[in-house]
Amino acid sequence: DAGVTQSPTHLIKTRGQQVTLRCSPISGHKSVSWYQQVLGQGPQFIFQYYEKEERGRGNFPDRFSARQFPNYSSELNVNALLLGDSALYLCASSPTGPNEQYFGPGTRLTVT
Amino acid sequence: GQQVMQIPQYQHVQEGEDFTTYCNSSTTLSNIQWYKQRPGGHPVFLIQLVKSGEVKKQKRLTFQFGEAKKNSSLHITATQTTDVGTYFCAGVSSNTGKLIFGQGTTLQVKP
Repeated sequence: DAGVTQSPTHLIKTRGQQVTLRCSPISGHKSVSWYQQVLGQGPQFIFQYYEKEERGRGNFPDRFSARQFPNYSSELNVNALLLGDSALYLCASSPTGPNEQYFGPGTRLTVT
Repeated sequence: GQQVMQIPQYQHVQEGEDFTTYCNSSTTLSNIQWYKQRPGGHPVFLIQLVKSGEVKKQKRLTFQFGEAKKNSSLHITATQTTDVGTYFCAGVSSNTGKLIFGQGTTLQVKP
């Protein structure tokens, strides 16, 4: 069975630009969560979606937004990029809610 | 807000020695999860504990959830070089339902 997939793998953007990251969950998983991981730290919770509805939001500015589609895939959008947004963005799926998370390989975003 | 703290931040051991990492939450947790992340990789789910005082074992790994459901530990017996990586605990707050990760303990094993 395919695991969680994310695209793109790597991305380089300039300050002020906008970025869209994509995630496909494991088949049958209805919950998708997004995390930001800075080097040397644990993943920081950004959003959780379940059945296409936002179920949780972390302490991130409104520049961060997300949505979940009818096929349970998800997109994370970040507007007006800052240098501090450079990080590994991880998507994780689970059958229900914030239980065992199955992570994708991540998207490495570099903002210059 | 809710915080999940892990100690130690780093641990270097000789192969065959034991290793323990501790996790403490500022709030009561509905469950605690443990993950392992290899260098350059993504977190991989190891286990979830739900009940107060619960103990679970996976081969050489022993996981405990505290009686007050605010702390947890992971103990590895007789470490091997394959145990190298960063171990994260992650707790689901009973109040907010959000999953909050600790900052991780990075384990290095000398052969």
